[in-house]
This record gives sequence, C-alpha cells and structure tokens, in this order.
Amino acid sequence: DAGITQSPRYKITETGRQVTLMCHQTWSHSYMFWYRQDLGHGLRLIYYSAAADITDKGEVPDGYVVSRSKTENFPLTLESATRSQTSVYFCASSPGGAGYGYTFGSGTRLTVV
Amino acid sequence: GQNIDQPTEMTATEGAIVQINCTYQTSGFNGLFWYQQHAGEAPTFLSYNVLDGLEEKGRFSSFLSRSKGYSYLLLKELQMKDSASYLCAVRDRENYGQNFVFGPGTRLSVLP
Repeated sequence: DAGITQSPRYKITETGRQVTLMCHQTWSHSYMFWYRQDLGHGLRLIYYSAAADITDKGEVPDGYVVSRSKTENFPLTLESATRSQTSVYFCASSPGGAGYGYTFGSGTRLTVV
Repeated sequence: GQNIDQPTEMTATEGAIVQINCTYQTSGFNGLFWYQQHAGEAPTFLSYNVLDGLEEKGRFSSFLSRSKGYSYLLLKELQMKDSASYLCAVRDRENYGQNFVFGPGTRLSVLP
C-alpha cells in the first residue's frame, strides 16, 4: 500500500535495552524526519534526513541513532533505552520544495519500564 | 532559534466560529503550516501560508502577517468532529529549509 508506515504501533521495553522503530515510505520522498511528542513539549525533532546516506541531528538527538541506506527506510534506534524516552514517536516524510508539508506515519507508542 | 506560542486550550459551541492564534519568532521564515491532530492519531495537514493574507479552504481559513510574526486559523460552522489539537508549525530556511518547528498545540473542544 502507498503511504508511510511505522512499526510497531506499540512497544514496551526495559531500561537499558536496544530498540529500533521502523519507518517506511513508498513515495520516494527525499526528506524524512523523526519526532517525539510529549505532553507539555509538543512535537520535537530528533533526527532528519535529506536523502539516502544524509542524516543530521535535530533538537533532541541524544540517545538516538538513525540510518538511511535506502530512500524508503529511516529506522530510529534507541541504543540503551531510558524511562525519559517513553513517548510517542512519529516519522514523517516530505518531497521537499515550497508548499509541501509533512505526511506523518501513524506513530509508535513506546513505553520504557 | 525559533519560538512559537499558541493558547493551550479553547472551547467553542457547535455551529460557531473559532479563531486559534499563533505567534512566532524565527530567523529565516520559510512558510507556516497548520495541522490537525485528533487524540491518539497522527497530525494531518490543514493549510499553508508563505505570503501575507488569507488562505481559504472550505470551512477552514488561515491568515499570515509576516511583519507581525502572527498567524491564525479560523474554523467556521464548527462540528463535533473538529474537537482536536491544532498545531502551528513554522518552517525555517536553515538545514535544507525543510525542518518544521511545531508550536505546543491548541486543544479545541467543541460542545453541543
């Protein structure tokens, strides 16, 4: 199906474990983004990518790692999960250019216990 | 850096009109977007402004004044399904000019 999909939708993990959140888009959009959404903070940018093999830090990158070996995939890895990383994570993509906003995935609700 | 302010919560009555304000400060303004987010769901695109003035799209309109760093989203003929959070997002020219900074969101409750 065309679109942007995230997996898993829900995840519970233990402190210190590594966990990877997946994001896949079928539009060949150049730009992809990872945001986290927390009460009181709104959406905050973790990492973004302008193209395959080009990634850069956003506002809150500490504790996260990304890669983009293929245009369509942009996984986000928490190397050693902490309770402060309990959040809802949204992946988004954009073709770039004026007037184009983001299309968001459905989100992953991550709980670190 | 960027700073975006929106009211935290608003309440309105079904059939009424409501205006949600957004003020922003940015060094390299490159467009302002409004998104709607229902509880437990992803944000969805509503409107885009890059030039001053009003953009109308059905029951929703969005206004921008770049000199004042101000935008508003106007919702007419409110329906119960309009109960949601409304996010103001500003795009900056830095970092490929594609990153958005989102405001905290305004939670709108539409009452019967």
